[in-house]
Amino acid sequence: QVQLVQSGAEVRKPGASVKVSCKTSGYSFTSHGISWVRQAPGQGLEWVGWISPYNGNTNYGQRFQGRVTMTTETSTSTVYMEVKSLRSDDTAIYYCAREGIGVRVDYWGQGTLVTVSS
Amino acid sequence: DIVVTQTPLSLSVTPGQPVSISCKSSQSLLHSDGKTHLYWYLQKPGQSPQLLIYEVSRRFSGVPDRFSGSGTGTDFTLTISRVEAEDVGIYYCMQGVQLRFTFGPGTKLDIK
Repeated sequence: QVQLVQSGAEVRKPGASVKVSCKTSGYSFTSHGISWVRQAPGQGLEWVGWISPYNGNTNYGQRFQGRVTMTTETSTSTVYMEVKSLRSDDTAIYYCAREGIGVRVDYWGQGTLVTVSS
Repeated sequence: DIVVTQTPLSLSVTPGQPVSISCKSSQSLLHSDGKTHLYWYLQKPGQSPQLLIYEVSRRFSGVPDRFSGSGTGTDFTLTISRVEAEDVGIYYCMQGVQLRFTFGPGTKLDIK
């Protein structure tokens, strides 16, 4: 079965960086893109960006351009998202989510809480 | 970016009653691939979102048939024919016609 398992919760100070992982299994890794979506405490869902594990192409939301980098590691079927220059309003649960066949987002990871606090 | 709105933002329903949630987008969600990329997700308390409906009206694997979707262009509706206790949570619609996906604000459903 399709599974996306994310790394554990992180705490960072403002200005620091964080790298979150999303290990996938149960399907052909290079055949499906991965989106990252975040959810601030008590708030709705916000799309962060997308990466193709097939060729490494990325597309980032405008407000994340220059601060977010998404990468893949085919040998372990893992996708990474790094966020730099963290601010307090980056505090959120970050989800990875798979692009299905003809479906933009089908399966979701369990989420990773990133807390930015001095 | 495409703006997506939802109404109502919250509702309380008696089990067994029907419910409808409206979703509107600022642009048509009809893609050049011929598909309309409107999706519905349910986020149950303390869980990740889960896909209910894709391409306006197609139920995802394992989704009960009491869930249905309809609409065209910019106006869409999610209908639950008979609400059950397990349906509580926040319902989000999402547009996928542009790669920079955007979500509606969510509709919180609880049971009376």
